[in-house]
Amino acid sequence: QAVLSQPSSLSASPGASASLTCTLRSGINVGTYMIYWYQQKAGSPPQYLLKYKSDSDKQQGSGVPSRFSGSKDASANAGILLISGLQSEDEADYYCMIWHSSASVFGGGTKLTVL
Amino acid sequence: EVQLVESGGGLVQPGGSLRLSCVASGFSFSSYWMTWVRQAPGKGLEWVASMKQDGSSIHYVDSVKGRFTISRDNAQSSLYLQMNSLRAEDTATYYCASTNTFDYWGLGTLVTVSS
Repeated sequence: QAVLSQPSSLSASPGASASLTCTLRSGINVGTYMIYWYQQKAGSPPQYLLKYKSDSDKQQGSGVPSRFSGSKDASANAGILLISGLQSEDEADYYCMIWHSSASVFGGGTKLTVL
Repeated sequence: EVQLVESGGGLVQPGGSLRLSCVASGFSFSSYWMTWVRQAPGKGLEWVASMKQDGSSIHYVDSVKGRFTISRDNAQSSLYLQMNSLRAEDTATYYCASTNTFDYWGLGTLVTVSS
């Protein structure tokens, strides 16, 4: 079982909100981890969006709009990237990441389609 | 403005070697961890290796241990990845990323391992 699992795809309409999940493997408690989120548009390198551990321990990437936000669902053992007011330019692949046992681990990525 | 510029990629035969370089500017390179991340064609992100500011701590993904060596020259604001015994599965775009947040990324350099 992968350390981090993400849905492979998600579709949403312009102006709506999209909730992207990053589920941690059983036995790895989401509450103890900082979750990092990256956006990658076609043909471009990844871009750092934000990191979230708790409401008191989080950081927005430089220049990243506030409509991108992070949270956690402890009951699902998952990190969440919420994108509100979806725009066509938000269409991209989104990756979550954690540092686990001195190694960085990425989720498989979610392809977000805005249509 | 932070810039990371990778170079050194190319076509190499299985079993061959390559040395990748990443030149950094716009931030205090010597103060931060640096990392290599790769992305196989059409696939997700994979962390490869990270190195502490002074080189006293280094970590690798299991699949490259014993074959790849990360190094840095703080005086030249440069990060390196020596890749030996290359395999077809090492084919990917290799990115350098700054800090342990991966808040800045280069454009990447493509490594193709093929006969």
